[in-house]
Amino acid sequence: NAGVMQNPRHLVRRRGQEARLRCSPMKGHSHVYWYRQLPEEGLKFMVYLQKENIIDESGMPKERFSAEFPKEGPSILRIQQVVRGDSAAYFCASKPNLGTNEKLFFGSGTQLSVL
Amino acid sequence: TQLLEQSPQFLSIQEGENLTVYCNSSSVFSSLQWYRQEPGEGPVLLVTVVTGGEVKKLKRLTFQFGDARKDSSLHITAAQTGDTGLYLCAGVDAGGTSYGKLTFGQGTILTVHP
Repeated sequence: NAGVMQNPRHLVRRRGQEARLRCSPMKGHSHVYWYRQLPEEGLKFMVYLQKENIIDESGMPKERFSAEFPKEGPSILRIQQVVRGDSAAYFCASKPNLGTNEKLFFGSGTQLSVL
Repeated sequence: TQLLEQSPQFLSIQEGENLTVYCNSSSVFSSLQWYRQEPGEGPVLLVTVVTGGEVKKLKRLTFQFGDARKDSSLHITAAQTGDTGLYLCAGVDAGGTSYGKLTFGQGTILTVHP
């Protein structure tokens, strides 16, 4: 059973370009979370999605950022018109059930660098 | 907004020493998790503590959840070089629309020297 798969592992963009980060949750997992991590800091919650629904996007900037988790295919975190401050590691996590204490499985992350 | 204060931020010790990492908040969490993260990888769950006052042991690691479920500690006995890494505490929200999202502390970078 493959783990949470994120791609690309590294993404370099120039200011003003778009960044698309993909996350395939573990098989059978229908709950996906996106987190952002700045250097030497903890992870900050961005958005929580279920299939075809955004449940909680309270941690996501209202401008330029969007997320989706379609019925088929991976979850996508999209950042439009990237700025240098968007440079960070973006982690996706998934779990199978709604219960709050189930184990969360994290992917290896996408390191976004904005030049 | 719930916050978790984790301390110390950096810890550099010799192999064989003991250490404790603290995680404190003014908020109550339904449970608290501890993760370890290697460079270039995502966090990996070590343990979840659920009940106030709970103590869990994982080999040389001892995790404790405060009685009021606002704080937690991680104690490592006789540290080894393989314990080097970033340790993160994370509180699990219980109510409203939080649906179990995690609030992370800032992390503790532990370096164990041979």
